[in-house]
Amino acid sequence: DTGVSQDPRHKITKRGQNVTFRCDPISEHNRLYWYRQTLGQGPEFLTYFQNEAQLEKSRLLSDRFSAERPKGSFSTLEIQRTEQGDSAMYLCASSLAWAQETQYFGPGTRLLVL
Amino acid sequence: RKEVEQDPGPFNVPEGATVAFNCTYSNSASQSFFWYRQDCRKEPKLLMSVYSSGNEDGRFTAQLNRASQYISLLIRDSKLSDSATYLCVVNKNAGGTSYGKLTFGQGTILTVHP
Repeated sequence: DTGVSQDPRHKITKRGQNVTFRCDPISEHNRLYWYRQTLGQGPEFLTYFQNEAQLEKSRLLSDRFSAERPKGSFSTLEIQRTEQGDSAMYLCASSLAWAQETQYFGPGTRLLVL
Repeated sequence: RKEVEQDPGPFNVPEGATVAFNCTYSNSASQSFFWYRQDCRKEPKLLMSVYSSGNEDGRFTAQLNRASQYISLLIRDSKLSDSATYLCVVNKNAGGTSYGKLTFGQGTILTVHP
């Protein structure tokens, strides 16, 4: 499978715990995005990388959230001291940077904070 | 006001019906427009890009009115398999390359019944 992959697919954690999600983009894609989607809403942008550089972070990304893409390939999204409001689907997407880029989404990591 | 607004529906139509979805966007700097489809508990997938001249892909027709900041999607001869959430999506381009961040509407739910 040469699409975007995410791991884990599901995560249940207790409030206050730290969690880390991984995204592996399509291999030749230099851009990688993180979005969050809650029930009944469309995905909301969190952050994106071009190669290893993090170019934008949403104000939704509080200090408890950190994302990295150390070698310009896979990325990790860490949430520290999780809160119940962090429960959502976390989607990763990748693309090639050009004027009419298409972003391809991974299957998402569904997080439930108890 | 949300940056991208859609009628959430749900739309319940019989097979063979024609159904239209509307979307408005508030940021006049938006330059790229898309419709994504999202099946229940799955990731969003690109259905089609939307061009100023309007474009068609089989049973699907997309229209863009930049003056009114309005996007539409028409589905003809609906199939059971068209049942999904349809997401209106906008992007900004800067300097010939995509700005990166996609802004999604909340989605319109379509159910096609026999």
